[in-house]
Amino acid sequence: GENVEQHPSTLSVQEGDSAVIKCTYSDSASNYFPWYKQELGKRPQLIIDIRSNVGEKKDQRIAVTLNKTAKHFSLHITETQPEDSAVYFCGGLKSGSEKLVFGKGTKLTVNP
Amino acid sequence: KAGVTQTPRYLIKTRGQQVTLSCSPISGHRSVSWYQQTPGQGLQFLFEYFSETQRNKGNFPGRFSGRQFSNSRSEMNVSTLELGDSALYLCASGSGSNTGELFFGEGSRLTVL
Repeated sequence: GENVEQHPSTLSVQEGDSAVIKCTYSDSASNYFPWYKQELGKRPQLIIDIRSNVGEKKDQRIAVTLNKTAKHFSLHITETQPEDSAVYFCGGLKSGSEKLVFGKGTKLTVNP
Repeated sequence: KAGVTQTPRYLIKTRGQQVTLSCSPISGHRSVSWYQQTPGQGLQFLFEYFSETQRNKGNFPGRFSGRQFSNSRSEMNVSTLELGDSALYLCASGSGSNTGELFFGEGSRLTVL
């Protein structure tokens, strides 16, 4: 079945710097890759997603890139702010399935 | 429209007991997925229901079970509770049409003593 690996498990950056979180997936049939942000004590919320027919997607300060050949995708956050501090989860979904599998999460801390 | 509602939000049980958690998805959504969240293990997939049928199942023992009703509300049950079952149980609602996007509830935090 699908397996998603996420790195790093923790990431600390200074306000204004960029942050990059990377994920790899095992099932080449996966075609949907979302990123969720979970603030302390709150529910995970979708912040951006990408499908396998696209190589990159941007939304203001966040972007996601996908390399299908290497089976990895990354989240990029530019000009980080303290409110970006949270746990971020990447996910992978196989075509024809509703089983969304997540990585173990990255705790991002943005220091003022 | 209303979001995903999970009840109860918090509960404490003792080893050997059983527990039932409830999830009401977003109106019109027919897919409900359940996840277990523990520190260091992230979001682990339990199972997914669509139109009252379990379509997908994760790697959890048979003590974990679920069901979905005709109104798309779902319940999950854990029998013979163990200390390691202490976790946040999250329910996620989806359209079920393989668009992928899931909407999470606030979760039910289970503590097993």
